[in-house]
Amino acid sequence: GAVVSQHPSWVICKSGTSVKIECRSLDFQATTMFWYRQFPKQSLMLMATSNEGSKATYEQGVEKDKFLINHASLTLSTLTVTSAHPEDSSFYICSARDGLSPRGRGQFFGPGTRLTVL
Amino acid sequence: KQEVTQIPAALSVPEGENLVLNCSFTDSAIYNLQWFRQDPGKGLTSLLLIQSSQREQTSGRLNASLDKSSGRSTLYIAASQPGDSATYLCALGNEKLTFGTGTRLTIIP
Repeated sequence: GAVVSQHPSWVICKSGTSVKIECRSLDFQATTMFWYRQFPKQSLMLMATSNEGSKATYEQGVEKDKFLINHASLTLSTLTVTSAHPEDSSFYICSARDGLSPRGRGQFFGPGTRLTVL
Repeated sequence: KQEVTQIPAALSVPEGENLVLNCSFTDSAIYNLQWFRQDPGKGLTSLLLIQSSQREQTSGRLNASLDKSSGRSTLYIAASQPGDSATYLCALGNEKLTFGTGTRLTIIP
């Protein structure tokens, strides 16, 4: 089955540093990847949509200069949290859409990355 | 703007009982609806996907229904087991998903 991995699975960093999270589709080509954020005891909120070879589309209220997204290949998207602050501490989950699947199907989720900013 | 609500927020049920989880949404436009489970600190596992033209889907002990006219979906779990304990999320959308608030289910052995 389709597998999406994320690395790292958890990270602790100091306030002001930048953190990069990778999302990889292991056995399919992902034309589109989505980045979600989940605060404790809350549901997932879409942050941005990442299309291979083009700029990401950010949801309202998400700072594009703070959350840098790069989708340089059909199997890899990265999210960089720049100048992280404690309020950025969250669970970040990516999903990848299989480009060969019909629209609305074939979206697979990664295991998530727990970010804690001290 | 689509709003997705799941009630109750938490549910405890004795093992073996059947149960129903509810999902309500405000925008009944043509969307797919998915049910996921999330174990603590983990990612999402897709359970069932109901396409916009469908009314229900079944997989093993799980049955999900979709009623767009009333803006509701239900997830029916038969003969519950302790391993079913998790948070269950519904989500609407074809590409970008809008997630519900989740129901934390505990099956009591």
